[in-house]
Formats: sequence, structure tokens, C-alpha cells
Amino acid sequence: GAGVSQSPSNKVTEKGKDVELRCDPISGHTALYWYRQSLGQGLEFLIYFQGNSAPDKSGLPSDRFSAERTGGSVSTLTIQRTQQEDSAVYLCASSLRGGFTDTQYFGPGTRLTVL
Amino acid sequence: QKEVEQNSGPLSVPEGAIASLNCTYSDRVSQSFFWYRQYSGKSPELIMSIYSNGDKEDGRFTAQLNKASQYVSLLIRDSQPSDSATYLCAVNGGGSNYKLTFGKGTLLTVNP
Repeated sequence: GAGVSQSPSNKVTEKGKDVELRCDPISGHTALYWYRQSLGQGLEFLIYFQGNSAPDKSGLPSDRFSAERTGGSVSTLTIQRTQQEDSAVYLCASSLRGGFTDTQYFGPGTRLTVL
Repeated sequence: QKEVEQNSGPLSVPEGAIASLNCTYSDRVSQSFFWYRQYSGKSPELIMSIYSNGDKEDGRFTAQLNKASQYVSLLIRDSQPSDSATYLCAVNGGGSNYKLTFGKGTLLTVNP
């Protein structure tokens, strides 16, 4: 079956512009996660959605970052007024229920470059 | 601050040898532990998961967990050049079942 898909695969933007990154999880997966992977760094948790529950936004680095998940499926991560330090690979993952034994399946990522 | 520590490597082993990858974690209440493999320019893919103390074997891979020592390891037997990748250790927080903390990864190179 289809895995997690993300678009665009690459995004180059100018400092100060807004960007939107999209994630389409595996069908039937109720949990969705966003991570950021900067060069030489580990994966950094950003935000978690589970069903209709309020999202866990505790990993968002600033109020320039926001995310939504519509209809319990597709999610969009928005970065406003981008800065050069936002350059990273943004990875989306989904899992069946979000429990501690769940396997998180990752999408191919969006490589964001802020000039 | 929950932390997951890994030796960054690179770890270089000859083809056919055993590769041993290690990980320590700081959160004593962590319940689940994962090893992901990440090829250069690709996304992470799950190799092994382990939840109980002891060993768990799957083909050429064995995960070992020691909660008392807060230590988890991954052994790769009969290493192949195709195993060359970065291996990421991920640990969940006991209070937030879903939130994984990742180590920075160990780069493994298997030489033919």
C-alpha cells in the first residue's frame, strides 16, 4: 500500500517568506507527527496529532511555526517569516494509534532551504 | 531534558563481521526503544523495536535492552555493504507515549 507522502520534496525560499509543507499519512493511521532534521543533528520532534484530540505542540520552536490537520488526514506545517536557521529536512510520520508500541512510518521529507 | 546518546562513529567493519551499535538514554521511565536505519538522503526506516529487558532477534539483527543500565544496543551479524547507513536510536518518554527522542545516529560503513 501507499506510504506517507510529502510535498514538495524540495523548497527553496527567501528569508522572510512563508512556506507550507504538506503531509499525507498512511490511510487508516490516526496519529501524525512532524519532525525536523538539521544537518548533523538528530530528529527533533515538532508536533503530534491524534484523532480529534488537541495536538501536542510542545516541540514547535517558535510561534512562527504552526500546523493543522484537516479531516483527520492531511496535515500542513506552516512556517511564517522564514529564517535561515529554519533550513532543514522536515519529516512527517504516521502511526496506527499513537501508542508507545506503535511503529512510526516516515515520509520522504521536504528539504527546506532558506536563502 | 530527555537525552539519547550514541557514538557518532563512523564505525567501520569488514563484510561478514558483527557490527555493534550502542545507545544510552536518560529517562528512566521510557517504555519503548527503536532502531531506525537511515540511508543518506533518505528517510528513516524501522529496523527493530524492543520493549522488555533482554534480547530480541530478527534475522541478522539483534536488539538488546538493559533498563537498569539505561542501555540499548543493536547487533548486526554477517554485515553486508548494503548495511552501510546511519543508525538512529529512538526512545519514547514514559509520560508521553507517542513522543520519540532520537539520538544523533551512528554512521556504519561495511567494507567489502
